[in-house]
Amino acid sequence: NAGVTQTPKFQVLKTGQSMTLQCAQDMNHNSMYWYRQDPGMGLRLIYYSASEGTTDKGEVPNGYNVSRLNKREFSLRLESAAPSQTSVYFCASSEYAPRVSDTQYFGPGTRLTVL
Amino acid sequence: AQTVTQSQPEMSVQEAETVTLSCTYDTSESDYYLFWYKQPPSRQMILVIRQEAYKQQNATENRFSVNFQKAAKSFSLKISDSQLGDAAMYFCAYSVRDMRFGAGTRLTVKP
Repeated sequence: NAGVTQTPKFQVLKTGQSMTLQCAQDMNHNSMYWYRQDPGMGLRLIYYSASEGTTDKGEVPNGYNVSRLNKREFSLRLESAAPSQTSVYFCASSEYAPRVSDTQYFGPGTRLTVL
Repeated sequence: AQTVTQSQPEMSVQEAETVTLSCTYDTSESDYYLFWYKQPPSRQMILVIRQEAYKQQNATENRFSVNFQKAAKSFSLKISDSQLGDAAMYFCAYSVRDMRFGAGTRLTVKP
């Protein structure tokens, strides 16, 4: 039982390049989330998916797109990377919908640097 | 807006002693959840303890306990018998529709 997995672990991009961060969970959870973590700040929610086929914006969605491919997988795409998107990105999942405020389980994170 | 404030950027404790990490939050909601997450150098976010706002009894998990003061909007974490493995960043989080995190407290444990 791997929990929440993320790929890649590290990535360096040039400004304007695009990339997709992958996330998968094997806990049969309904909800999945993408966060970013910046120095001196807590995690901030980018997007979430309460169930397969639905996505919603979080606190900081600008510059990102997401896809809930199926119940297991939730990807985050940067279409045109900017230096301000340099951050550590975390994927998380929870059993129920966000409004139930269930415990979230986190992946190991992806450190992204945009030059 | 929901905000979570951790006023102690860094804390230090001697091994085997007790330390308390502070957290305050701001909300107009009456029903919500509060969490403490631990982030060791591996970056993995690990749930330490969780508290439902409608429960008056403070949550405990082995050496970890909380002091939840709903009227004061305060949610502190007490770590008893501190161990070297407790050294990490600790994040307080508040959740209604989505989860909001504080900026974190870095805990150092001295042998």
